[in-house]
Amino acid sequence: GAGVSQTPSNKVTEKGKYVELRCDPISGHTALYWYRQSLGQGPEFLIYFQGTGAADDSGLPNDRFFAVRPEGSVSTLKIQRTERGDSAVYLCASSPGLGNTGELFFGEGSRLTVL
Amino acid sequence: AQSVAQPEDQVNVAEGNPLTVKCTYSVSGNPYLFWYVQYPNRGLQFLLKYITGDNLVKGSYGFEAEFNKSQTSFHLKKPSALVSDSALYFCAVRDGGSQGNLIFGKGTKLSVKP
Repeated sequence: GAGVSQTPSNKVTEKGKYVELRCDPISGHTALYWYRQSLGQGPEFLIYFQGTGAADDSGLPNDRFFAVRPEGSVSTLKIQRTERGDSAVYLCASSPGLGNTGELFFGEGSRLTVL
Repeated sequence: AQSVAQPEDQVNVAEGNPLTVKCTYSVSGNPYLFWYVQYPNRGLQFLLKYITGDNLVKGSYGFEAEFNKSQTSFHLKKPSALVSDSALYFCAVRDGGSQGNLIFGKGTKLSVKP
């Protein structure tokens, strides 16, 4: 597609449930990033993929969070045993990858609400 | 460690007046600096970046930013504000020696009144 696509745009779930958020990057972009944005805050880095592998997952807050990118394109962010504090907008971004001077292209985000 | 500071939570400007949104950064290597804008319920849109070269960079919608190495600053500017410029503005930095993620500031809300 023309831009980064994220689904669902909104997700409401109950505490303790499992959630998956999907990101479809710009075609040909090898680098993919996940960020989390809480109300009134800037985007907080979670994880970065170069191709199929996670190049940096230092931003994942705990082992309830996991992300995959099995074919080097679409990525899924998985959250187990959701907590109310996980409520945020989850942003995905992509870039052309190695050698790129760093501009990221963002999707419109998936708003997660944990009741 | 890399970090970005946006000291103002909100900037209020009258339409037609010049605007400045402040940003300072800390990075161990050469900084790659970025400004993004976020409209309500929308994703982040890229405005401009500094990688190397001329300290004054020009971007989308008439915005520009000046890189100041001695003050470690990258303030966003526009000579004449529009009401439609009202949005959240985020400054971001990356160490030019790495291929990793951008570190974002907490954002500044710009409000332009008619």
